[in-house]
Amino acid sequence: SQQGEEDPQALSIQEGENATMNCSYKTSINNLQWYRQNSGRGLVHLILIRSNEREKHSGRLRVTLDTSKKSSSLLITASRAADTASYFCATFPNTGNQFYFGTGTSLTVIP
Amino acid sequence: DGGITQSPKYLFRKEGQNVTLSCEQNLNHDAMYWYRQDPGQGLRLIYYSQIVNDFQKGDIAEGYSVSREKKESFPLTVTSAQKNPTAFYLCASSQGGNQPQHFGDGTRLSIL
Repeated sequence: SQQGEEDPQALSIQEGENATMNCSYKTSINNLQWYRQNSGRGLVHLILIRSNEREKHSGRLRVTLDTSKKSSSLLITASRAADTASYFCATFPNTGNQFYFGTGTSLTVIP
Repeated sequence: DGGITQSPKYLFRKEGQNVTLSCEQNLNHDAMYWYRQDPGQGLRLIYYSQIVNDFQKGDIAEGYSVSREKKESFPLTVTSAQKNPTAFYLCASSQGGNQPQHFGDGTRLSIL
């Protein structure tokens, strides 16, 4: 399977703390994207990082990419209760024609 | 307001019945996708279409069929050949290739 793997599967933190989740994948990629899914809803695109980029920021989000280790991390700083959701990474392989989604990290932010 | 609309939100299928899930987008995107989401398994690609009147099978196409007669619409039919159809179905669209995908709010299909 080319599916990515997120780690941890579940994460519970206090409001105001930082949340870090990781994604590992198997093949060389063109880009990697992170998505968020609130319970019972569709996915929402958060950030895209290309294979030649190492770090990207968007508001309270920071994404890193290490292509030598085939891994990425998503950091959410100063978390809020509204950040409670599942977070998925999606990879687009260099030789592929579709995205492969990971199994997700379920984040709970306790007010 | 641009977006993707999936309907119905909940759908029940009887034994031996085909059911069709609707997906409409007004984002003027060329590419559209159907995913299946089971608990703890992430998203798996059923079918995708890069252009009108053309579509390709994804990883789990067996028991499903699609059509793409209009740019805005990409309906998915879950046939009676799909023996385990209970899942959350998500439709998405994008400008194509490796661009970010926009998702609808899903249809939850259950067996009666």
